[in-house]
Amino acid sequence: EAQVTQNPRYLITVTGKKLTVTCSQNMNHEYMSWYRQDPGLGLRQIYYSMNVEVTDKGDVPEGYKVSRKEKRNFPLILESPSPNQTSLYFCASSLLAGSSYNSPLHFGNGTRLTVT
Amino acid sequence: AQSVTQPDIHITVSEGASLELRCNYSYGATPYLFWYVQSPGQGLQLLLKYFSGDTLVQGIKGFEAEFKRSQSSFNLRKPSVHWSDAAEYFCAVGAGYQKVTFGTGTKLQVIP
Repeated sequence: EAQVTQNPRYLITVTGKKLTVTCSQNMNHEYMSWYRQDPGLGLRQIYYSMNVEVTDKGDVPEGYKVSRKEKRNFPLILESPSPNQTSLYFCASSLLAGSSYNSPLHFGNGTRLTVT
Repeated sequence: AQSVTQPDIHITVSEGASLELRCNYSYGATPYLFWYVQSPGQGLQLLLKYFSGDTLVQGIKGFEAEFKRSQSSFNLRKPSVHWSDAAEYFCAVGAGYQKVTFGTGTKLQVIP
C-alpha cells in the first residue's frame, strides 16, 4: 500500500531533550516536506526536500533540522525542543511532475508533540 | 506571495443538506488549487484539484469545486452531506515547485 509513515504518533518530552521524528514513503517520490499544524494557523511548512541531499527552509524553519540521505526517508530533528514547538506535525511527499511542479501531496497521519 | 482565505472557521449542517465551503485565494498567475480533507486523527487527503480546463472539477466522495477567476474563489460543494463527512477541510494554492500555501481550515460538523 502506498503510504507515508511517521513515527511516533505521540511524543511527550521536556525542554532541551533532542528528539527525532521519522518519516518514510514507499512511493519513490522525489519531494518531501514537513509541516506543523496549529489551531487557527493552518499548515505551515518547516522544511522541504526536492531530492536526496537537497533540502531547503520553508516558512517556519527555526529550531528544526532535517536530512535527506535516502530518497524514502526525511527525518525531522529538534535539537533543543522548546514549549513553542508543541504542535501537530505532518510529513508529506509527492512526485515532481510537470513543468511547474504542483503535484498533490500525500500526507502521513501526523505526530502530536508536546514539549513541557 | 500567494495566500488563501477560508472565512468560515466552523460550519454545522444537517445530514442530507447541501454544503458549500468557501475559499478565496490571492495569486498573481494562474493558480493550482486543491481541497484536502482531514478526518480526526488522520493526515490530509486530497479531495480534488484544479490545474486548468473545465472550471467545475469533480473529486472523491461526491465533492465538487468550481473555480471562478473573476471572484478569486474555489468553493467546495456537496449536494447531500453524510455524517461521515464531518472533518476539517483545507483549501490550498500551489505556486510552482511544490510551494503550497494552505488556508486555516473549516471544521464541518454534521448533525443528524
